[in-house]
Amino acid sequence: EAQVTQNPRYLITVTGKKLTVTCSQNMNHEYMSWYRQDPGLGLRQIYYSMNVEVTDKGDVPEGYKVSRKEKRNFPLILESPSPNQTSLYFCASSLPGLAGEDTQYFGPGTRLTVL
Amino acid sequence: AQKVTQAQTEISVVEKEDVTLDCVYETRDTTYYLFWYKQPPSGELVFLIRRNSFDEQNEISGRYSWNFQKSTSSFNFTITASQVVDSAVYFCALRFLYNFNKFYFGSGTKLNVKP
Repeated sequence: EAQVTQNPRYLITVTGKKLTVTCSQNMNHEYMSWYRQDPGLGLRQIYYSMNVEVTDKGDVPEGYKVSRKEKRNFPLILESPSPNQTSLYFCASSLPGLAGEDTQYFGPGTRLTVL
Repeated sequence: AQKVTQAQTEISVVEKEDVTLDCVYETRDTTYYLFWYKQPPSGELVFLIRRNSFDEQNEISGRYSWNFQKSTSSFNFTITASQVVDSAVYFCALRFLYNFNKFYFGSGTKLNVKP
């Protein structure tokens, strides 16, 4: 089954304790992206990756890191989480296709709480 | 700057009523792509439709229809004869040709369909 998986689905942590949210897709997609969803703000793009070793910042990259060592995986790293990073996080992937023509497939989401 | 505006934060209707969700976007580009996603209470994001700026034809898919008007920069979504299962948060999103790696989402409209 074609899917994007994220782990963990729920995480409660404390300020400053490094964490990683994993994202994996089994569709051989080149493009992957991370978003955070906050009430009243919709989804905002954190980072995206066009392919292995190619990543770039979205609209809200501060406090986050990513890596793309393999095509299927795109982990989101919070080196020193803070309470303002409490949010619902989504990973997405797609084929590049014709520019803009691709459809993004979203993971199930990771609800992160930073105390 | 806000690129996608969904002014309706929350809408409540009674089953079988028609409902229209508004989406207004900002762009100076001539080529861009518009999307609608559904987020049911379970939390996943479900792709509904993609429309490119060259195609102003309205589209109908079952009870769903979309009205794209470049003159007013709007891409509205109508559900005919709403059902309880339509209860969800609906997001409108925009993607530009010149930087197609970035997605801009509206803040979402929560639709409550009551039996």
